[in-house]
Amino acid sequence: ETGVTQSPTHLIKTRGQQVTLRCSSQSGHNTVSWYQQALGQGPQFIFQYYREEENGRGNFPPRFSGLQFPNYSSELNVNALELDDSALYLCASSSRRGVQETQYFGPGTRLLVL
Amino acid sequence: AQKVTQAQTEISVVEKEDVTLDCVYETRDTTYYLFWYKQPPSGELVFLIRRNSFDEQNEISGRYSWNFQKSTSSFNFTITASQVVDSAVYFCALSGSGGYQKVTFGIGTKLQVIP
Repeated sequence: ETGVTQSPTHLIKTRGQQVTLRCSSQSGHNTVSWYQQALGQGPQFIFQYYREEENGRGNFPPRFSGLQFPNYSSELNVNALELDDSALYLCASSSRRGVQETQYFGPGTRLLVL
Repeated sequence: AQKVTQAQTEISVVEKEDVTLDCVYETRDTTYYLFWYKQPPSGELVFLIRRNSFDEQNEISGRYSWNFQKSTSSFNFTITASQVVDSAVYFCALSGSGGYQKVTFGIGTKLQVIP
């Protein structure tokens, strides 16, 4: 148990729709990162939030956006869904930004875009 | 650019055998961090170890051990006396000075331990 939860666990959407994925971090963890993991691949960094501000972004288009809230929860929003967005989405939290701090991952949300 | 290569895509071993998972990395950073994660079928990534580039000491944690060799840019992971519960996908990852924002994961090695 990492203390990080994600919802929903599974989701099916159609192309062009919008989706919101949620993550609840451990209390006190003010850094959250989101990753996309396509089938058979390693995770890819989407973005990171630190104290409710975006703190870095990977090679993902602007239709991927996020929010972080004071209660240690966060959201990943994806607009105009494409078939290639089908993946496992993982969030990870830590209490500081640096890699000296261990990240704790949630179980992920499996998104299927039809 | 950073790169992590896990050449073994799938490995099968019989329970109680030892198994080594290979990881080769490329980076131009002088300070960097290497990680190993376990991903069981449930999907949740589990942190196993973090090693910084200045610490080349090998580490042992129970049945797990890690061999970091800067000269060959490798960070290999050995499981001794494997168990069925070790069956999972194992990822090697690399981060430079950018912290977790710049983590690069390998493609993963799927380990199956057969009873």
